[in-house]
Amino acid sequence: QVQLVQSGAEVKKPGASVKVSCKASGYTFTSYDINWVRQATGQGLEWMGWMNPNSGNTGYAQKFQGRVTMTRNTSISTAYMELSSLRSEDTAVYYCARGSFQDYWGQGTLVTVSS
Amino acid sequence: DVVMTQSPLSLPVTLGQPASISCRSSQSLVHSDGNTYLNWFQQRPGQSPRRLIYKVSNRDSGVPDRFSGSGSGTDFTLKISRVEAEDVGVYYCMQGTHWPPVFGGGTKVEIK
Repeated sequence: QVQLVQSGAEVKKPGASVKVSCKASGYTFTSYDINWVRQATGQGLEWMGWMNPNSGNTGYAQKFQGRVTMTRNTSISTAYMELSSLRSEDTAVYYCARGSFQDYWGQGTLVTVSS
Repeated sequence: DVVMTQSPLSLPVTLGQPASISCRSSQSLVHSDGNTYLNWFQQRPGQSPRRLIYKVSNRDSGVPDRFSGSGSGTDFTLKISRVEAEDVGVYYCMQGTHWPPVFGGGTKVEIK
């Protein structure tokens, strides 16, 4: 069965970077894009960007341009999302989701930014 | 960017009664390939989102048939024919026709 398993919760200081991983199983990793979506506590869903695991091509929401980098390691079927220059407003649960239309989701990774 | 507007914000429903959620887009969601990329997601309390409906009206595998999606152009609806306790949560529409993908603000379904 398709599974996306994300890395554990992180606590970071303002200005630091965080790298969240998303390990895929149950399907061919390179056959589907990986999207990243975040959700601040009590708020709605915010799309951040996508990556094609086959080519490595990426596309980022304008809001995150220059601060986010999405990469992958195809040998271990894992996608990564790194967000830099963290501020308190980046405190959120970060999700990876399979495909352009998000048919499977990871369990989420809570990133807390606090001094 | 396309703006996705959901209503109502909150929807108290009696068990066994129907529920309807509206989602409107600021521009037509008909893609140049003829498809309309409008999806619906359910997020139960404390869980990850789960896709229910894709391309307006196609139910995902395992989704009960009490859920249905309809609409066209800029106006879309998610209906629950008879609400059950497990349907409590927040429902989001999302458009994938235009770059970038955008989610609606969400509709919270709760039991009266």
